[in-house]
Parts: sequence; structure tokens; C-alpha cells
Amino acid sequence: DSGVTQTPKHLITATGQRVTLRCSPRSGDLSVYWYQQSLDQGLQFLIQYYNGEERAKGNILERFSAQQFPDLHSELNLSSLELGDSALYFCASSLKAGSYGYTFGSGTRLTVV
Amino acid sequence: GQSLEQPSEVTAVEGAIVQINCTYQTSGFYGLSWYQQHDGGAPTFLSYNALDGLEETGRFSSFLSRSDSYGYLLLQELQMKDSASYFCAVSSRSNDYKLSFGAGTTVTVRA
Repeated sequence: DSGVTQTPKHLITATGQRVTLRCSPRSGDLSVYWYQQSLDQGLQFLIQYYNGEERAKGNILERFSAQQFPDLHSELNLSSLELGDSALYFCASSLKAGSYGYTFGSGTRLTVV
Repeated sequence: GQSLEQPSEVTAVEGAIVQINCTYQTSGFYGLSWYQQHDGGAPTFLSYNALDGLEETGRFSSFLSRSDSYGYLLLQELQMKDSASYFCAVSSRSNDYKLSFGAGTTVTVRA
């Protein structure tokens, strides 16, 4: 157990639907990152939050949004889902915004059918 | 932006040594990290270099040459459990220090 909790572990949904992925960072970590990993691909950065505030954005689609709550857990919302959104979505956390040692959660495997 | 290049696959036998190279292009380079990911699992942090030279952690070592924009991960005394994907990741001041990952190298260890 890395200390970063992601739910759900698996999600199967239809095209056009909306889903919410949840992440609880490791205790004490203030920064949360979301990454997308498609089949046999690298980790694509989506968005970063630090202590409740959006810190950085990657190539995140407009259909995707995220937030970090006062208790530091974060949610990634994916809407108008397309087949190509099927991927592993990882959440990671670190103590500071500039840390190099991220702790990753076990991911949410999203399948859009 | 950032770009990283690493080989897509490496195969070796148990007990051998494998070197995974990573070349990067970024402005405001800060450091190079390495992560291991077993099939579909969570990436786990292995090593970090901010200065030139070699960092050793057990059977794994990582090297950085800032002037050459190059680094490598060295896996020694390979074991079957080392079969996994290995990602280099760069952090830079221009990217607010967040990690940008390479496409990953799949290491297959054979008996």
C-alpha cells in the first residue's frame, strides 16, 4: 500500500457518459497530480493541484476537469466519454510542488464501450 | 516543452546487466528521475539525479550528464522480478518542476 488511494479500481461505462475518479493523497502530501496512461504508452500529465489550488495543467481535454478539496482529496471528472478515453488514470502525490519523488496510487482502469 | 527518448524494449538473461539510456530536451532542467512499473501497476520511484554523476541504490544505479542531456539507469544482477517497464522523467523550472515522463522501456528478463 503506497498510501495513495484511488477509487474505483475499475470502471466500465458507455460513450457519452460522465464518470468521477477519486484520489486520496498520502498523509501529509499537499500536491496531487493526475496522469493518463493509454495502452503501452507513457504517462501523460493532465493536471496538478497544490494545497487546494490548481498549480499546472497539461494536455487535459476540455471534457475533463478536476478539483482538490479542503481535506486534500482530489477528483477527476471525465464527461462526454469517447472510446479513446479508455486508459489507466493514475493519481500521484508529493509533499511539495517541486518534489521529484511522487507516490502513485494503483490507478483506475477506465473502459469506455 | 519537454521531450525524452528511451529505447522501447530490452531483453536480457538473469544475472546480466542492463543499461537503459535516456536523452532529454528541456529548458531549465532541474533533475532526472527513474520509475519502475510492473504490468499495469503503480509506478514506483527508483532514483533521482540532479547533479552529474552516479547514484547507487542496491542493484540499481542512475547516472546523469547535464552537459550531454543524457542519463541512464543501470540494472545489475538481473532477476526475474525486474521484468517491468522503466520510465525516465525530467523536471524543469520551465515546467514548474512537475515530472514529464518518457514513453518507457520494457525490460524482459529471461531465465
